[in-house]
Amino acid sequence: DSGVTQTPKHLITATGQRVTLRCSPRSGDLSVYWYQQSLDQGLQFLIQYYNGEERAKGNILERFSAQQFPDLHSELNLSSLELGDSALYFCASSVGGLADYNEQFFGPGTRLTVL
Amino acid sequence: ILNVEQSPQSLHVQEGDSTNFTCSFPSSNFYALHWYRWETAKSPEALFVMTLNGDEKKKGRISATLNTKEGYSYLYIKGSQPEDSATYLCALGNAGNMLTFGGGTRLMVKP
Repeated sequence: DSGVTQTPKHLITATGQRVTLRCSPRSGDLSVYWYQQSLDQGLQFLIQYYNGEERAKGNILERFSAQQFPDLHSELNLSSLELGDSALYFCASSVGGLADYNEQFFGPGTRLTVL
Repeated sequence: ILNVEQSPQSLHVQEGDSTNFTCSFPSSNFYALHWYRWETAKSPEALFVMTLNGDEKKKGRISATLNTKEGYSYLYIKGSQPEDSATYLCALGNAGNMLTFGGGTRLMVKP
């Protein structure tokens, strides 16, 4: 158990809908990262938050947004869902900091299926 | 943009065999190289983080080396066991610890 929790574990929804994925980082970790694992692609970085502020953005679609709250949990919002958004979404956390190159601890993931 | 290549894509070995796989990258413009182990139906788990050219790390039967000048890292498993079966991911981390992952090497160890 990495100490990172994600809910829900599975999510099935229809095209055009909007969903929210939730992540609680390990106790003491300030950085939260979101990754997407599609069938035909490796783990792709989406976005990073550090202590409540957006720190880095990867190939995240405009239909997707995220935030990190004062209690450090994070939510990833996916809207106007398309079939291609079906994927495994991971949240990870690390200690954080200006020169952070620490290992990231991954949550169990949320499997999103868009029908 | 960091480009991370892993080879081979998959590997079948017999229990007791030692094995190694490669992570290669064209540029040394990164802060750290990470290795993760990802078992089926679980989440990726960190094995090593290396930052300096010549770094060597070891954890039990698994070890890794980093050569930033020639652009590669090796992961070695000595005396493979069935429980070592997993996908091994290499990732490069930039200054903000944003990771760019390779495609992984899927290892299957036959008893």
